[in-house]
Amino acid sequence: EPEVTQTPSHQVTQMGQEVILRCVPISNHLYFYWYRQILGQKVEFLVSFYNNEISEKSEIFDDQFSVERPDGSNFTLKIRSTKLEDSAMYFCASSRTGHEQFFGPGTRLTVL
Amino acid sequence: ELKVEQNPLFLSMQEGKNYTIYCNYSTTSDRLYWYRQDPGKSLESLFVLLSNGAVKQEGRLMASLDTKARLSTLHITAAVHDLSATYFCAVDNPRDDKIIFGKGTRLHILP
Repeated sequence: EPEVTQTPSHQVTQMGQEVILRCVPISNHLYFYWYRQILGQKVEFLVSFYNNEISEKSEIFDDQFSVERPDGSNFTLKIRSTKLEDSAMYFCASSRTGHEQFFGPGTRLTVL
Repeated sequence: ELKVEQNPLFLSMQEGKNYTIYCNYSTTSDRLYWYRQDPGKSLESLFVLLSNGAVKQEGRLMASLDTKARLSTLHITAAVHDLSATYFCAVDNPRDDKIIFGKGTRLHILP
């Protein structure tokens, strides 16, 4: 059964460094999303992406964040200059219809 | 701004009992989702509810949506230990297509 994959599973970085989190959505899906979940807290919407452009973004998704779909399979989230408070689990999700979303296993980002 | 509230946030119950988790939201929407998350794991889609009066059932779980009351329920019938997890509802705001999650209900089922 097709699934969303994410790499790496855990990323440790120094404050101020750039990180790129990678996702491979399910192949026939058209809608892509990034969420984050700070440990023990709720899941927070970051951004949605459709037709090669951002369709919606939250207040969290400021100028330090960007997304790209550089080829037909990958969907990346870049954080330009990480802060301590960026430490969280980052989930990628994809959807064929824009309704039911399928989540990847997540990348745990630790900023030191 | 769309707000999504779940209650209870924590529920400890005995196996074999029935219980209901509630999800209220603050603005009009007819798209609501339920997810399950096991500790340290990703989110698993349980139900997609896309219209008023929608009711879906899978095993011991049943979800319903009342868009007029802005309320969804997740009902657990004859709970078993394997259902222990955190359950999130999420609402799609039709005004901006942002998806807002509730804080989650941590369900602990005692054998």
